[in-house]
Formats: sequence, C-alpha cells, structure tokens
Amino acid sequence: AQKVTQAQTEISVVEKEDVTLDCVYETRDTTYYLFWYKQPPSGELVFLIRRNSFDEQNEISGRYSWNFQKSTSSFNFTITASQVVDSAVYFCALSEGGGGADGLTFGKGTHLIIQP
Amino acid sequence: DAGITQSPRHKVTETGTPVTLRCHQTENHRYMYWYRQDPGHGLRLIHYSYGVKDTDKGEVSDGYSVSRSKTEDFLLTLESATSSQTSVYFCAISARQEVQETQYFGPGTRLLVL
Repeated sequence: AQKVTQAQTEISVVEKEDVTLDCVYETRDTTYYLFWYKQPPSGELVFLIRRNSFDEQNEISGRYSWNFQKSTSSFNFTITASQVVDSAVYFCALSEGGGGADGLTFGKGTHLIIQP
Repeated sequence: DAGITQSPRHKVTETGTPVTLRCHQTENHRYMYWYRQDPGHGLRLIHYSYGVKDTDKGEVSDGYSVSRSKTEDFLLTLESATSSQTSVYFCAISARQEVQETQYFGPGTRLLVL
C-alpha cells in the first residue's frame, strides 16, 4: 500500500530564511504521481505542483523549488527567501497509476510558520 | 478556480441524524472525490467516482455513502451521524492536463456532530 511521510510536523523560521519541507513516499508501482498542496489559514487547498515518476527533473517556480529523488523516494520542497505569506500547512500527496486520477494518499502535513 | 462549490459550508447536527453534503462542479469533469480532514491525519479519501453511477470506496468509507446521478453533482451522505464524523469535508475533481490528471479541491464543509 502507498504511504506518504512528512516527518516535520511544524517548522518555524524567520522571514527571508530558506526552508525545506521533507516528503518521503512508499509505493510498489513503477508509475505514480506526486503532488504538493498548500493550505493557508483561510482553509482552502491550493495545488502547487505535480510530478510523475518518470520525470526526475527538478523544478523551480519563483521562490519555490522541488527536488525529486527516486533513489531515496523523496520529493522535497524548498522555499527560498521565505515570506510571511508562505505561512501555511503544506501537504505532500501520492497517486498510483490511473494517470493520476486515482485517489490521493496524503501526508499529515507540515505547518510552516514564517515569523516577521 | 476549478468551478467547484460545496454546500452547506457549515453544519451542526446531532448524533443519529442523517446528513447530506453536496459537491457541484460546472466543468464536466469525469472524476470526483470526497475527503475528510482531521488534525493529525491530513486528508483521507472517503469515496470517489469515475462517472455517473460509478463510485468506489476509499480508505475511510465506513459510515458514508455516495451518489452521483448527474455528472455535475456528487453527494456524500452520513446515514446516521456520529461524533467521530465531526470533520472538515473536501470535495475534489480531477482535471486532465496534457496526459496527466491533477486534483483540485472545493472550499470545504465544516461538520460538527454533537
């Protein structure tokens, strides 16, 4: 069965620091999809990124970057020069097969606090 | 915005009463999902649907049923609500981008069972 572990329950940093959120996953499938979602204090879930198992290329989007390493079954998320608006709960999630249409298995989330 | 609405957004009910939550989408997506979010558990899949009248169970389906009689609506029913079903319920759709699917979520429904 699939599993996603986000070992960091809560991280607190001062604004402008870089911060990395860890995600480790378990799956027996060779085809799978990994996701990150952001849940700000307002409560909605915001999609950030999708990565399939055949694409290990790292991705950068502004201050956000993602490091996907199949060798360690990790899909870590780094925020560079953090801002107060980055304060949120971040979820890593996994979908096996189905082109990603199967239900998601979520980690328990990391609560990120950016202090001014 | 994936055109997903949930109703009601907040509900307080009593143990033993039936409750139905509605998820409505406007963009004709085939796949729809219900999740619940509880502190310390992240989000967990309750039920999902691959199309009209085509549904299946997720990880935490006990005590819940679903129906999908129209593409745009996916209903989640608690036949007899219990306090353990106090939670935030999220509906999601899966949107196809290139050859892959990405799930987008509705705003959530806060349910309190007294």
